[in-house]
Amino acid sequence: GNSVTQMEGPVTLSEEAFLTINCTYTATGYPSLFWYVQYPGEGLQLLLKATKADDKGSNKGFEATYRKETTSFHLEKGSVQVSDSAVYFCALSPSGGYNKLIFGAGTRLAVHP
Amino acid sequence: DTAVSQTPKYLVTQMGNDKSIKCEQNLGHDTMYWYKQDSKKFLKIMFSYNNKELIINETVPNRFSPKSPDKAHLNLHINSLELGDSAVYFCASSQVSDTIYFGEGSWLTVV
Repeated sequence: GNSVTQMEGPVTLSEEAFLTINCTYTATGYPSLFWYVQYPGEGLQLLLKATKADDKGSNKGFEATYRKETTSFHLEKGSVQVSDSAVYFCALSPSGGYNKLIFGAGTRLAVHP
Repeated sequence: DTAVSQTPKYLVTQMGNDKSIKCEQNLGHDTMYWYKQDSKKFLKIMFSYNNKELIINETVPNRFSPKSPDKAHLNLHINSLELGDSAVYFCASSQVSDTIYFGEGSWLTVV
C-alpha cells in the first residue's frame, strides 16, 4: 500500500542553522510528492511539490528533490528563521485512481533565536 | 480572496449534539474533500466529492454525512457527537489530478 514516513520530532534548531527533515515513501507507480506546513493555530499550506523523479520543488528557501531510487523527498533549508517554526507534513498523491493525499505523521520544528 | 473557506473556525459543543461545518471554494475546482486531524496531528482523508458525487469514503462512521449541493460547496454534518470526534476538520479542493488546497480548518471540541 501507500504510506509516508517522516522523521520524528520535535526538531529544535538555532536561527540560521541548516534544516533537514527526512521523508521516505512507499507507493506503487509514480506518485506526486508534497510538503505542507502548518503554522501554530493555522491551517495547512502547500509549501512545495514535485511530480516526477528528479524534480526539485522549492519555495521560501525550502527545497526537496524527488528521489525515486531511494524513495525519498527530504526537506531542506540552508538557514532557518524563527518564523519557520511550524509542523511540516510530507505527503504523497498516488498515481492513478482518485486524487487524494496520504500524509506522514508530521514533524514539529522549533527555531530559537 | 479566500480560496477555500470553512465555517465555523471554532466549535465547542456537548456530547450527543448534531453540528455542521460548511465549506466553500472559489477556485473553480471539481473535487472537494474533508480531512480529519486528530490530537496527535495525524491527518487522514474522510471523504471526497467530484462534481457533487461521492468518490471516496474512508470507512467513516455513519454519523458523519457530507453533502454537496453544488461543486463549490461541501458541508459536513455530524450526528450524535462523541468525545472522540474532537479534532480539526479540514476542507480542501482540487482539480481532478492536481494539487490539493486546504481551508484554514475547523477546531471541533466535544465536551
